[in-house]
Amino acid sequence: NAGVTQTPKFQVLKTGQSMTLQCAQDMNHEYMSWYRQDPGMGLRLIHYSVGAGITDQGEVPNGYNVSRSTTEDFPLRLLSAAPSQTSVYFCASRRQGINEKLFFGSGTQLSVL
Amino acid sequence: AQSVTQPDIHITVSEGASLELRCNYSYGATPYLFWYVQSPGQGLQLLLKYFSGDTLVQGIKGFEAEFKRSQSSFNLRKPSVHWSDAAEYFCAVGTSSNDGNKLVFGAGTILRVKS
Repeated sequence: NAGVTQTPKFQVLKTGQSMTLQCAQDMNHEYMSWYRQDPGMGLRLIHYSVGAGITDQGEVPNGYNVSRSTTEDFPLRLLSAAPSQTSVYFCASRRQGINEKLFFGSGTQLSVL
Repeated sequence: AQSVTQPDIHITVSEGASLELRCNYSYGATPYLFWYVQSPGQGLQLLLKYFSGDTLVQGIKGFEAEFKRSQSSFNLRKPSVHWSDAAEYFCAVGTSSNDGNKLVFGAGTILRVKS
């Protein structure tokens, strides 16, 4: 009963490095999303997808790319990491419909030095 | 665009006391409202949600929330707090419009429970 799986749990990057945060879900959910969580700011939506091949921007998309080639996977790419991207990142998925429950992964803590 | 305000950053209550966490939202039409809880080092878990019908909704772990349209509020309550309720609580609002996929979260309220 895996649910939403995020890897890695922790990552330290140097400014300018690139990396991909992985997210996979085994619930056949159409909707997947990435949030970042910063102290005092709650969760802010980065990107989301309503199905394979369809992605859209959230509230804070700059510096991040996503793709959705399969229903199960929704990776988040940082092309050139900046200290402002130090945060905790959460992937979440749900069935289609705004009133559906969001299932969250356990998060990735990213530090950019 | 919709927004959510949680006025209290921290709240401390004694074990066994009642709890109310405040949430105010800004949105022109009928919103979809949620409360999520986050335990340390974990992702968020849904406590309850409101999208239509009875304005008093029951959730898991003995929590309830009341939707008050006139006050644009969706406050979370629990009659008797347990030490295991210590966590961070997030209110969130979504819409049924084309932007309905953009669930907006409040900044969170950290609950501390005194024994």
